[in-house]
Amino acid sequence: KQEVTQIPAALSVPEGENLVLNCSFTDSAIYNLQWFRQDPGKGLTSLLLIQSSQREQTSGRLNASLDKSSGRSTLYIAASQPGDSATYLCAVKNQGGKLIFGQGTELSVKP
Amino acid sequence: DVKVTQSSRYLVKRTGEKVFLECVQDMDHENMFWYRQDPGLGLRLIYFSYDVKMKEKGDIPEGYSVSREKKERFSLILESASTNQTSMYLCASSPVAGNTIYFGEGSWLTVV
Repeated sequence: KQEVTQIPAALSVPEGENLVLNCSFTDSAIYNLQWFRQDPGKGLTSLLLIQSSQREQTSGRLNASLDKSSGRSTLYIAASQPGDSATYLCAVKNQGGKLIFGQGTELSVKP
Repeated sequence: DVKVTQSSRYLVKRTGEKVFLECVQDMDHENMFWYRQDPGLGLRLIYFSYDVKMKEKGDIPEGYSVSREKKERFSLILESASTNQTSMYLCASSPVAGNTIYFGEGSWLTVV
């Protein structure tokens, strides 16, 4: 059974720092992996999607990598800003089309 | 822009009441989903639908049912609400051939 884990559960950094959020999964037979952002009391917004055949995806200050063999993905945020404060969730899509979510990392960027 | 609209953001219902949560998407997506999100448990899939009048159970369907009479609308029904169904409910949709999933803003349900 696929399990997705995100460590740490919470992270606080000063503005301007580069940071890395981690996501691990137990079954490497995935279709894709997606990173989401969730603001308090709101729904999820898709940030980056990496297909199983890809190694990374970039969007602005965000870069997501995927290493299927080790069951890991990282989300790199460059030059963090207070507006980046949110919960970040990763989700893997298995071959059956089902999305399995991690529990998220709550990020706080202090001015 | 894709829009997934959950009409009720905040609801308070009594134990035993029948509750309807409505979700509408405007992008002609085939797939629609209902999740619940609880602290420490993350997002859990309740039901999903790949087509009109079609439904499949997710991981935690007990106590819930769904209805999809039109392609754009997917309703979650709590036949007899219980306090353990107090949660944030998230609706989502995606195209059949696409990968990205789009979420609504969520519906906060409190059962007292």
